[in-house]
Amino acid sequence: AQSVSQHNHHVILSEAASLELGCNYSYGGTVNLFWYVQYPGQHLQLLLKYFSGDPLVKGIKGFEAEFIKSKFSFNLRKPSVQWSDTAEYFCAVDSGGGADGLTFGKGTHLIIQP
Amino acid sequence: AAGVIQSPRHLIKEKRETATLKCYPIPRHDTVYWYQQGPGQDPQFLISFYEKMQSDKGSIPDRFSAQQFSDYHSELNMSSLELGDSALYFCATGLAGVRAHEQFFGPGTRLTVL
Repeated sequence: AQSVSQHNHHVILSEAASLELGCNYSYGGTVNLFWYVQYPGQHLQLLLKYFSGDPLVKGIKGFEAEFIKSKFSFNLRKPSVQWSDTAEYFCAVDSGGGADGLTFGKGTHLIIQP
Repeated sequence: AAGVIQSPRHLIKEKRETATLKCYPIPRHDTVYWYQQGPGQDPQFLISFYEKMQSDKGSIPDRFSAQQFSDYHSELNMSSLELGDSALYFCATGLAGVRAHEQFFGPGTRLTVL
């Protein structure tokens, strides 16, 4: 079974600070990796995804993530955060099957102070 | 662009009652996933369907069942409801094939069991 670990459950930053959220997964086979964002009271929205190819992937709203296979990591980054980035961030993985469900991490609650 | 539609958006039930949640996929999507998100928790995968057949099974209780119909919409049937079933239930849909692993989430149904 696969599992996802997010290192920080709560992060508080000031606007314009740089962000890095850690994500590690445990699964030895082929995986697809995702970061989802959930704004207060809203549904999950895909920020970015990695299926194959360039391990540095760019997503929406200035977010990017780097897949490091040797470290089983897929950390999310943003060089300069905004107040509107306040949300819950979930890292997720699937095992590459046709219609497999996603395994989510516990999430990181990010608060950006103006 | 059309999104995933879930109904109802809110549902209040008593213990031991039954509930039916519905999910209408994005047009041409043929895969449906169901997730349960408890308060302050990460989404937990319940079950998925591809082309009307069950594809993957997660932590779905025996009291719950689901199916996908010929028009690709799906229903999650929940019986003998318990207080612990109170949660946000998300449906996600996708298109098997090249983009098999990208899931688009609906707004969720908030179920409260009293």
